[in-house]
Amino acid sequence: GAVVSQHPSWVICKSGTSVKIECRSLDFQATTMFWYRQFPKQSLMLMATSNEGSKATYEQGVEKDKFLINHASLTLSTLTVTSAHPEDSSFYICSADGRAAVNTEAFFGQGTRLTVV
Amino acid sequence: AQSVTQLDSHVSVSEGTPVLLRCNYSSSYSPSLFWYVQHPNKGLQLLLKYTSAATLVKGINGFEAEFKKSETSFHLTKPSAHMSDAAEYFCVVSDPSGTYKYIFGTGTRLKVLA
Repeated sequence: GAVVSQHPSWVICKSGTSVKIECRSLDFQATTMFWYRQFPKQSLMLMATSNEGSKATYEQGVEKDKFLINHASLTLSTLTVTSAHPEDSSFYICSADGRAAVNTEAFFGQGTRLTVV
Repeated sequence: AQSVTQLDSHVSVSEGTPVLLRCNYSSSYSPSLFWYVQHPNKGLQLLLKYTSAATLVKGINGFEAEFKKSETSFHLTKPSAHMSDAAEYFCVVSDPSGTYKYIFGTGTRLKVLA
């Protein structure tokens, strides 16, 4: 149990287009999900906290109009990178609050590698 | 504020020798601490977690870590390295707000020499 599925696992898009990444908790409900970004050879940095039914909370320095987060149901959060540019190329990974799965940890998706050309 | 410091960005060991990856934390509260492993171009895999139960935590693949409050450390060890252990390792502390917002260390790249 406690599986988080992230889709797509990789995507290549043209500069100026938008890309949507999905994060689903498959067998539990997650009122809170988190989005992280990892640049090559660097650590993971929290971008935002996604709350079901309310606005996301963004970390300092993250543009909320560029990284749109929607958490419309208890099992799905989406991250849309709008007007993507090459500097947005990164590994994006989500996690879900595992308390509903009666667990003391967050569960991570497989990650999405975004390349903007 | 919570933070973790991974003292070594790179560690090299020979196959069959012990592994030690160091992590120190800073927390105003009793922290939850984790070690994750990331293989190249892969997602994260949880190795082990400390959540205020036993201070010596055993994880998967022969890894273990000891929570030492007096030293604010949570070092990861393994008695005998295997080639498949070569990867990036992250020490993580959980935000005390009650959610599972994680703060990641900068990572340690483990290289295993044949």
